[in-house]
Amino acid sequence: LAKTTQPISMDSYEGQEVNITCSHNNIATNDYITWYQQFPSQGPRFIIQGYKTKVTNEVASLFIPADRKSSTLSLPRVSLSDTAVYYCLVGDSGYSTLTFGKGTMLLVSP
Amino acid sequence: DGGITQSPKYLFRKEGQNVTLSCEQNLNHDAMYWYRQDPGQGLRLIYYSQIVNDFQKGDIAEGYSVSREKKESFPLTVTSAQKNPTAFYLCASSIEIRQGTHNEQFFGPGTRLTVL
Repeated sequence: LAKTTQPISMDSYEGQEVNITCSHNNIATNDYITWYQQFPSQGPRFIIQGYKTKVTNEVASLFIPADRKSSTLSLPRVSLSDTAVYYCLVGDSGYSTLTFGKGTMLLVSP
Repeated sequence: DGGITQSPKYLFRKEGQNVTLSCEQNLNHDAMYWYRQDPGQGLRLIYYSQIVNDFQKGDIAEGYSVSREKKESFPLTVTSAQKNPTAFYLCASSIEIRQGTHNEQFFGPGTRLTVL
């Protein structure tokens, strides 16, 4: 299983760019990197997924270096509503390789 | 609207009673999952099902049971054998479980179970 390590918490202010880094040193060749967002008392929501280099969608960007041992979720110009827990998952579609760790609690202040 | 629903949102039970949590999806997804979340913790997989009439244990299946008689439904029973059942329970579904990619999981709103 590819274990992931993320910061427990991060603080930011409205309008800033936030980068959350996830370490996954033993990522396997077939593993994808996926990020989810969870608000209190709700189910997680898929944000973005990537395999290598850079992926961008309307919500975020995901940067993956060539060695794939880490990845960075980038949230541009955060707002108060981006306050949530962000989970980094590494694995393929086999459920058994997907583990939601404790995630990173992002707090955005005015 | 397509989606995944769980009911009820809050559930209270006395210790020693079995309780069944409902999960329904109209996304035509083959795969469904049950997770448990404790305060300040991540999600832990209880059971998952790849297809109707099939299901597999996850990381913490002891004290729980499931059924998958219909594609749309994946109820979870919390039995009296579960030693610490008070938690937030989340159901999810995805198109399929297939090697080589991660199919996005769609989550329901969750059921908060409190055992008194």
